[in-house]
Amino acid sequence: NAGVTQTPKFQVLKTGQSMTLQCAQDMNHEYMSWYRQDPGMGLRLIHYSVGAGITDQGEVPNGYNVSRSTTEDFPLRLLSAAPSQTSVYFCASSYSSSGRETQYFGPGTRLLVL
Amino acid sequence: AQSVAQPEDQVNVAEGNPLTVKCTYSVSGNPYLFWYVQYPNRGLQFLLKYITGDNLVKGSYGFEAEFNKSQTSFHLKKPSALVSDSALYFCAVRDMRGDDKIIFGKGTRLHILP
Repeated sequence: NAGVTQTPKFQVLKTGQSMTLQCAQDMNHEYMSWYRQDPGMGLRLIHYSVGAGITDQGEVPNGYNVSRSTTEDFPLRLLSAAPSQTSVYFCASSYSSSGRETQYFGPGTRLLVL
Repeated sequence: AQSVAQPEDQVNVAEGNPLTVKCTYSVSGNPYLFWYVQYPNRGLQFLLKYITGDNLVKGSYGFEAEFNKSQTSFHLKKPSALVSDSALYFCAVRDMRGDDKIIFGKGTRLHILP
């Protein structure tokens, strides 16, 4: 199993540009989530999904969209990038949405918005 | 809504000494509690979790954590620190009574001094 994969590893955007951060898992996990990591702020939940076709907002959803058309994929879209979205983004997945299971994290995407 | 606090930004411990990384939480129901570790330029790795049962939970790399319901705490401990334990540690919580969000603390940087 490849586990949780994220692409790209690093991206530079200009303010106002759009992009999609890709996340995929091959473990047939129901639950997937996106976090951003900022110095002094820890990990903050952006959006999460408890299964295909179901998404919900986390702690900091503004400026981000998600969709979950398949179990495997959970892309994160920035429609109009802002410098405040400069961060490291982590995708995670777990077997179910019960909350009891361990989350598996991807390697992260480092995003710089100029 | 659930929340988690890690009151120390950084903890310094001499190699061979016991270490403690503090975590307190707030939930409306009963909690699921987790500890994750992040090594430099890496994603997060699972250390241990409390779901139910014995208040003392043992995890990877010799770490353990004690669930204390009256103090709403879940401190991470290790009897004898290694230099290789130096990393960023995150506590996370899921409220069994709440929605499906898993919320992380701000993280504590652990420095083990040789």
